[in-house]
Amino acid sequence: DTGVSQDPRHKITKRGQNVTFRCDPISEHNRLYWYRQTLGQGPEFLTYFQNEAQLEKSRLLSDRFSAERPKGSFSTLEIQRTEQGDSAMYLCASSLLDSSYNEQFFGPGTRLTVL
Amino acid sequence: SQQGEEDPQALSIQEGGNATMNCSYKTSINNLQWYRQNSGRGLVHLILIRSNEREKHSGRLRVTLDTSKKSSSLLITASRAADTASYFCATTGTYKYIFGTGTRLKVLA
Repeated sequence: DTGVSQDPRHKITKRGQNVTFRCDPISEHNRLYWYRQTLGQGPEFLTYFQNEAQLEKSRLLSDRFSAERPKGSFSTLEIQRTEQGDSAMYLCASSLLDSSYNEQFFGPGTRLTVL
Repeated sequence: SQQGEEDPQALSIQEGGNATMNCSYKTSINNLQWYRQNSGRGLVHLILIRSNEREKHSGRLRVTLDTSKKSSSLLITASRAADTASYFCATTGTYKYIFGTGTRLKVLA
């Protein structure tokens, strides 16, 4: 399977715990994106990387959130001291920088539930 | 924040009928895409229409784009029960996608 993969698919945690999600993009894609989707809403942009550089962070990304893409391949999204409001689907996408139309390919998402 | 708004928010039709949903957006775009999402699942790409295109077809899907009105429509013909899902439009400039609020489609058997 050469699509975008995310791990885990589901995560249940207690408030105050830290969680980390992983995204593996399509192998030749140099751009990687994180989005968050709450129930009944469309996905909202969180941050994106071009290779290993994090080029933009949304104001939705509080200081409890940190994303990395250390070698320009897979990425991790960590949430520290989780709150119930963090419960959402976290989606990762990747694209090719040279693509004229920036077609992004989405992974299946990680559903986070904070109790 | 979400740029797009979709209309209607929810739609129920009989199997075999046609379903039309609309998307409006606020700023200039590079392209517009439509995605389907089944309950609790990831996004499935349906169709991309470029800013210099006005209409595009793919199987039972027809998409139109009117950049002067900053709007797009998605028509699904001969609907099936399996088309029951949420449908989102997403616009993009240079990198990030901005999604609409979605239309929840229910196709009744």
